Amino acid sequence: KAGVTQTPRYLIKTRGQQVTLSCSPISGHRSVSWYQQTPGQGLQFLFEYFSETQRNKGNFPGRFSGRQFSNSRSEMNVSTLELGDSALYLCASSVSGETQYFGPGTRLLVL
Amino acid sequence: AQSVTQPDIHITVSEGASLELRCNYSYGATPYLFWYVQSPGQGLQLLLKYFSGDTLVQGIKGFEAEFKRSQSSFNLRKPSVHWSDAAEYFCAVGGAAGNKLTFGGGTRVLVKP
Repeated sequence: KAGVTQTPRYLIKTRGQQVTLSCSPISGHRSVSWYQQTPGQGLQFLFEYFSETQRNKGNFPGRFSGRQFSNSRSEMNVSTLELGDSALYLCASSVSGETQYFGPGTRLLVL
Repeated sequence: AQSVTQPDIHITVSEGASLELRCNYSYGATPYLFWYVQSPGQGLQLLLKYFSGDTLVQGIKGFEAEFKRSQSSFNLRKPSVHWSDAAEYFCAVGGAAGNKLTFGGGTRVLVKP
């Protein structure tokens, strides 16, 4: 089975722009979670979607949003980018939320 | 609130020696516990997990972990490390489906030849 895929792998944006990251889960997985990884804050949970519904949300500002499509693919969007949004964004999929399998991540650099 | 502490930020071990990484968690209910490994520039790979049952769990790459409820610990061990085990290791706790994973700060393992 193919693993979790994330696109793009690398991204450079400037402050004030917005960005959309994509995640394709493992076939048959209906839950997709997003995490932000930075050297200072470590791995932090952003949100989780299951069957197109946001089921859980972390403590991030409203500039961070996401959605899930009927085929379980998910996107996350960050609007009005700030320098501090530079991070590795990891997507994880699971059948229904228990065991999460991670993708390779999208590295975002905000200049 | 759930939390995870990995007391060791860095560990250096000689190739062939044993390795133990410490993890302490705080969780109000029965925890789901995980160990992940991350190589530079990569995502997280699941090494093993504990949900219930036997408190000694086996994982991939020769790793094992022991759940000790009385100590709120879930330490990871490997009897003999290989140079390819050099990476960063993360312990995580979660709960029922849909609950977030909370990660420890990670332990970076360096392997000396």
